[in-house]
Parts: sequence; structure tokens; C-alpha cells
Amino acid sequence: GENVEQHPSTLSVQEGDSAVIKCTYSDSASNYFPWYKQELGKRPQLIIDIRSNVGEKKDQRIAVTLNKTAKHFSLHITETQPEDSAVYFCAASIVVGNQFYFGTGTSLTVIP
Amino acid sequence: KAGVTQTPRYLIKTRGQQVTLSCSPISGHRSVSWYQQTPGQGLQFLFEYFSETQRNKGNFPGRFSGRQFSNSRSEMNVSTLELGDSALYLCASSLVTGSGEQFFGPGTRLTVL
Repeated sequence: GENVEQHPSTLSVQEGDSAVIKCTYSDSASNYFPWYKQELGKRPQLIIDIRSNVGEKKDQRIAVTLNKTAKHFSLHITETQPEDSAVYFCAASIVVGNQFYFGTGTSLTVIP
Repeated sequence: KAGVTQTPRYLIKTRGQQVTLSCSPISGHRSVSWYQQTPGQGLQFLFEYFSETQRNKGNFPGRFSGRQFSNSRSEMNVSTLELGDSALYLCASSLVTGSGEQFFGPGTRLTVL
């Protein structure tokens, strides 16, 4: 089955700096790669996603890049703010059905 | 639209007991997935239901089972509880089948003593 690895597990950055979180996946059949943000005590919420026919997608300060050949995708957050502090999860979805495989999460701390 | 709801929010059980968790998806969503979230393990996929049929199943023992009703509400059952089953159980619903955005519920925090 699919295996998603996520790095780093913890990340601390100064406010205003950029943060990058990387994930790799194993199954070439995966075609949908969402990123979720989970604040303490809250449910995961989708912040950005990318499909396998696209190499990059941006939404204001957040961007995701996908390298299908290398089977890795990354989340980039620019101009980080304290409210970006949370746990971020990447995921990969197999083509058939909604079977999502999640990474183990990255705890991001933005230091004011 | 109301979001995904889960009941109960908190549950305390003892080893050997069984438990049933409930998930009501967003109106119109027919796909419901269940996940177990534990510190260090992230979200692990349990199973996914669509139109009352289990389409996908993760790597969990047979003690974990589920079902979906005609109104798309879903239940998850864990029998013969073990200490290691203590976790946050999240369900997520999606509108479309096949790699659609998932909307998560608040989760049920299960503690096994």
C-alpha cells in the first residue's frame, strides 16, 4: 500500500521567515495531495491541495509543489505569522475511492 | 451547511468492552472515512464507506468495524478494547468519490482504562 513520509517532525521559524515541509509517497497511482492544518484541540482543515497533473499551486502565502517523477511534494509558507503555528499533515490519495494516507505531521512553531 | 458532527465527543471505557462511535456527514456527502489519530502516528486510515458499502480498509485488526446507513451517517465499532485503542477518532466526509476534498469532524476522544 501507499506510504507517506513527512519531514521534519518539528520546525521552528522566526516570524516573517519561510517554512518548508516535505513529503514523499511510494505509490505512483496516487493523484491527489492535500495539506491539512490542525490547530491544538481542533479538527484538521484543508489549506491547499494539488493534483498530479499540476506541478505547483499557490494561494497567497501558501504554495505546494509536486514532483511526480521523484514522488515528493512540499508545502511552502512565506512570511510566517504566529497564527501559522499548528501541526501540518500531508496526504496522498489513491485514484480509486477516498483512501487517504497521511504523513505523521510537522509541528510548526512561529516565534514572534 | 452544518459541518461534520461526531458523537460522543469523549468516551471512557475499560479493556475488553466495546464501543460505537457515530458520524454524521455534511448534507449531500456520501463518502465517509474514519481515521485514528495518536501522537507520533499521525492519522491512520481505518476505512471508507460510500453508498453503504465499505470500499477501502486500512491495516487495522478485525476488532475495528463500521457501517454506513442510507442517510450516509456512519458508525464505527471497536470490540474487545485494548489500552492501545486510546486515541482521537476522526471521521471525514466528502462530496465526490475519488480524491475529493475531505471535511473532518471534531473527533471522538476515546480513553481505554
